[in-house]
Amino acid sequence: KQEVTQIPAALSVPEGENLVLNCSFTDSAIYNLQWFRQDPGKGLTSLLLIQSSQREQTSGRLNASLDKSSGRSTLYIAASQPGDSATYLCAVPIDTGRRALTFGSGTRLQVQP
Amino acid sequence: DVKVTQSSRYLVKRTGEKVFLECVQDMDHENMFWYRQDPGLGLRLIYFSYDVKMKEKGDIPEGYSVSREKKERFSLILESASTNQTSMYLCASSFPDLYGYTFGSGTRLTVV
Repeated sequence: KQEVTQIPAALSVPEGENLVLNCSFTDSAIYNLQWFRQDPGKGLTSLLLIQSSQREQTSGRLNASLDKSSGRSTLYIAASQPGDSATYLCAVPIDTGRRALTFGSGTRLQVQP
Repeated sequence: DVKVTQSSRYLVKRTGEKVFLECVQDMDHENMFWYRQDPGLGLRLIYFSYDVKMKEKGDIPEGYSVSREKKERFSLILESASTNQTSMYLCASSFPDLYGYTFGSGTRLTVV
């Protein structure tokens, strides 16, 4: 069964810092990996989707990388801002035959002004 | 802009009531999902559906059922609500496999 782990569980940084969030998964046979953002009490917003054939995706100040062979992904946030404060979750398909996602427990990010 | 709409943001129900949580998407997605999210437990899959009238159990289906009579609508039913079903419920939809998920804004259900 696919399992997803995110480190660290929480992170507090001063505004302007570059930071890296980590995600690892146990089964490397994945279709894709997705990073989400969740604000308190809200639903999830998709940030980046990396297909299994890709190594990275970029959107603005966000860059996500994928290394299937090692079962790892990183989300890089450049020049962090207080508005980046949220919980960040990564997710991969449960297994090769199913289309549901399994999620990591998330990294709660606080960017101090 | 694509949307997944959950009918209620907040609900308070009594123990033993039958509860319906509704989710509607306007993207013609085949797949729809129900998750619940609890502190310390993360997101857990309750049920999902690949197509109209099709459903599959997720990790924690006990105490829940679902209905998908139309492609755009996926309902989660709590047959007899209990206090341990107090949670945030999140609906999502997607095209198969290669495409990302879109989530609704969530329903915070409190069972008293």
